[in-house]
Amino acid sequence: SQKIEQNSEALNIQEGKTATLTCNYTNYSPAYLQWYRQDPGRGPVFLLLIRENEKEKRKERLKVTFDTTLKQSLFHITASQPADSATYLCALVGYNFNKFYFGSGTKLNVKP
Amino acid sequence: EAQVTQNPRYLITVTGKKLTVTCSQNMNHEYMSWYRQDPGLGLRQIYYSMNVEVTDKGDVPEGYKVSRKEKRNFPLILESPSPNQTSLYFCASRRGLIETQYFGPGTRLLVL
Repeated sequence: SQKIEQNSEALNIQEGKTATLTCNYTNYSPAYLQWYRQDPGRGPVFLLLIRENEKEKRKERLKVTFDTTLKQSLFHITASQPADSATYLCALVGYNFNKFYFGSGTKLNVKP
Repeated sequence: EAQVTQNPRYLITVTGKKLTVTCSQNMNHEYMSWYRQDPGLGLRQIYYSMNVEVTDKGDVPEGYKVSRKEKRNFPLILESPSPNQTSLYFCASRRGLIETQYFGPGTRLLVL
């Protein structure tokens, strides 16, 4: 069965630095991949979507890359701020476009 | 305001007592899903719906039922809840196949 791995250890970085989060997967060929932000006690909030034939997507300070050979997506937050502190989830979607498989998330702590 | 709402937000119940968690969206979205979130396991999809009267199983459908009689509503039914269904539940909706997915605020369920 498919397996999605995100670093379970929290990522601690200094304000202003670039945060890089990793999503690795096995036994799967996704049609696209999404990244979400989740704050404690709240539902996930969609951030970015990247299709399997796209290498990179950007939105303001956010950038996501998708390497289907390595079976990996990287999520970057540049010029990070304490307000970026949250848990970030990746989700893979298959070619039926209805089944979503989420990683367990990586907690990001941005220190002032 | 465009949103997904869930009720109740918190629920404590006993084993075997049937319950329904409601989900409603005001965005006229075709697609809706239910997820459960457990520590270390991430979000897992329970059921999804592609339109009125069209539903299908996600990754963990056992012990749950859903219905989609109206486009805006997608209730989750636990006919005979058990303690292993204690979890945080999220409803989500999206307009199309490759679109932003909007999550509700979550329902925290405790089954004693």
